[in-house]
Amino acid sequence: ETGVTQTPRHLVMGMTNKKSLKCEQHLGHNAMYWYKQSAKKPLELMFVYNFKEQTENNSVPSRFSPECPNSSHLFLHLHTLQPEDSALYLCASSQVGDGGAEAFFGQGTRLTVV
Amino acid sequence: AQSVAQPEDQVNVAEGNPLTVKCTYSVSGNPYLFWYVQYPNRGLQFLLKYITGDNLVKGSYGFEAEFNKSQTSFHLKKPSALVSDSALYFCAVRDYGSGAGSYQLTFGKGTKLSVIP
Repeated sequence: ETGVTQTPRHLVMGMTNKKSLKCEQHLGHNAMYWYKQSAKKPLELMFVYNFKEQTENNSVPSRFSPECPNSSHLFLHLHTLQPEDSALYLCASSQVGDGGAEAFFGQGTRLTVV
Repeated sequence: AQSVAQPEDQVNVAEGNPLTVKCTYSVSGNPYLFWYVQYPNRGLQFLLKYITGDNLVKGSYGFEAEFNKSQTSFHLKKPSALVSDSALYFCAVRDYGSGAGSYQLTFGKGTKLSVIP
């Protein structure tokens, strides 16, 4: 275990559903991230939160809505997704201010949109 | 802007042979470099990192990597490959000290390592 926990591990949802992915880190880090990993594509950074404030939004469609209520928890709210949104969604955390600090990743949520 | 290139989509090596997974990077400041490994349907696991000091860094599971500033490379190596090393390997860079203000990691596209028994 890396200290970053993601739930659920697997999710199947229809295009009209609303669901949420949850991430929790127990490492005392002050930055959290959402990444999307699709087959045959590089790891895509979606959102960055630094001290609960969103500092990066890499042109992600509005059907993905992040929420960071505190520095330990991160959510990704999903609604009206498309089949091409099927992917492995990874959460990570790190300590901002320590440039040499590695990011720690959760196990990921395997999302399938039907 | 920072970027990472992993020129090989796949590397095949016989068990017991040395392995190398290549990585080159581009930054405007000083690089902090990282290697991660990913097993199927799992998250990324940290292997090792270069921050400063010795160009040869040692990490988990017998892996090491050599930082070469003139060639802007950070290749991952292991003297003797195991079948259990078969996985997806990612190189990542953080551009530190350039004043760009970016602190997140930029990842390469990954290299699939297959160790053949």
